[in-house]
Amino acid sequence: QKEVEQNSGPLSVPEGAIASLNCTYSDRGSQSFFWYRQYSGKSPELIMFIYSNGDKEDGRFTAQLNKASQYVSLLIRDSQPSDSATYLCAVTGAQKLVFGQGTRLTINP
Amino acid sequence: NAGVTQTPKFQVLKTGQSMTLQCAQDMNHNSMYWYRQDPGMGLRLIYYSASEGTTDKGEVPNGYNVSRLNKREFSLRLESAAPSQTSVYFCASSEVGQGNSPLHFGNGTRLTVT
Repeated sequence: QKEVEQNSGPLSVPEGAIASLNCTYSDRGSQSFFWYRQYSGKSPELIMFIYSNGDKEDGRFTAQLNKASQYVSLLIRDSQPSDSATYLCAVTGAQKLVFGQGTRLTINP
Repeated sequence: NAGVTQTPKFQVLKTGQSMTLQCAQDMNHNSMYWYRQDPGMGLRLIYYSASEGTTDKGEVPNGYNVSRLNKREFSLRLESAAPSQTSVYFCASSEVGQGNSPLHFGNGTRLTVT
């Protein structure tokens, strides 16, 4: 089992809809959870991080963490074509940060 | 405000050649990292430096060496390049040790080894 798993996609969502990206992790002791966005040919950039169970909202983005079920998700409301990118989940466990392979998201106008 | 600066942006090497990738950050971060990114493999940690004067191996260190020159600079050296080292390399920095604060990435170096 991979330490951090994401559906590689592509995930296709119509403009204006909610995009839901999911990430599961294997280390129950994981403490920190990050979402990065990476446009094609560019470097990853941080969108959000979450440490506690529950939801964290920042503009159109909401991160949801459920430690009991070992998943973290990212919701993007009112999706825009500019949200089309690969989204990387990263999880800290055992003093190391592990990235998932990323989910490619396409927003269709 | 430059953030994390990597050089060069592109490089083509022949098998057996050596080169050094340079990285500098101006955010006064303690920790710095080198990752490689390959299709289908995600980001994999090569080496990291938790603080000035220390370096540690990551997931895929073979064929690489690093130097934490000072708090700002962290270089990655390929002593004898191999085609398997064709990849995109990212330098990153964070305020504190790995996983406890967000990473800030440089723009990447696209390396091809023929």
